Amino acid sequence: KQEVTQIPAALSVPEGENLVLNCSFTDSAIYNLQWFRQDPGKGLTSLLLIQSSQREQTSGRLNASLDKSSGRSTLYIAASQPGDSATYLCAVHTGNQFYFGTGTSLTVIP
Amino acid sequence: GAVVSQHPSWVICKSGTSVKIECRSLDFQATTMFWYRQFPKQSLMLMATSNEGSKATYEQGVEKDKFLINHASLTLSTLTVTSAHPEDSSFYICSAYSSRQGGTEAFFGQGTRLTVV
Repeated sequence: KQEVTQIPAALSVPEGENLVLNCSFTDSAIYNLQWFRQDPGKGLTSLLLIQSSQREQTSGRLNASLDKSSGRSTLYIAASQPGDSATYLCAVHTGNQFYFGTGTSLTVIP
Repeated sequence: GAVVSQHPSWVICKSGTSVKIECRSLDFQATTMFWYRQFPKQSLMLMATSNEGSKATYEQGVEKDKFLINHASLTLSTLTVTSAHPEDSSFYICSAYSSRQGGTEAFFGQGTRLTVV
């Protein structure tokens, strides 16, 4: 069974710093991997989707990489802002099911 | 991008009553819909998978008679929490996925916060 782990569980950084969130998964047979953002009490917002054949995706200040063979993905956030404070989830799609990581709670301090 | 609408966004109900949550895909046909539950400070947990034209598949530990799922059409799935109890208070999120979109991206509803008093 696929297991998805995110490290760190919580992260606090001063505004302006670049940061990296990590996601690891145990089964490399995936269709794609998505990074989501979740604000307290809100639904999920999709940030980036990386297909299994891709190595990275970029959107604005966000860059996500995928290394299927090692079962890892990273989400890089450049020049962090207080508005980036949220929980970030990665989810692996292996077929008909998505497996979610435990999330990283990010706080960007003004 | 594709949109999934979930309704209501929040609901408060009395213990013992039933609550229905709707999940609609607005601009695509969803062959598969997922229902997730999230307790405070925990990750999303899959409750059940609903495929078009077939009965929902429930995850271990999820009571199918308590959480009724109906995938009525390619654009609508409903989750009914029957005889709700305070321990059912949670954040419920639906997700739709269509292989007919040519991809495998999941689209999420806004979520429903259920409080049972």
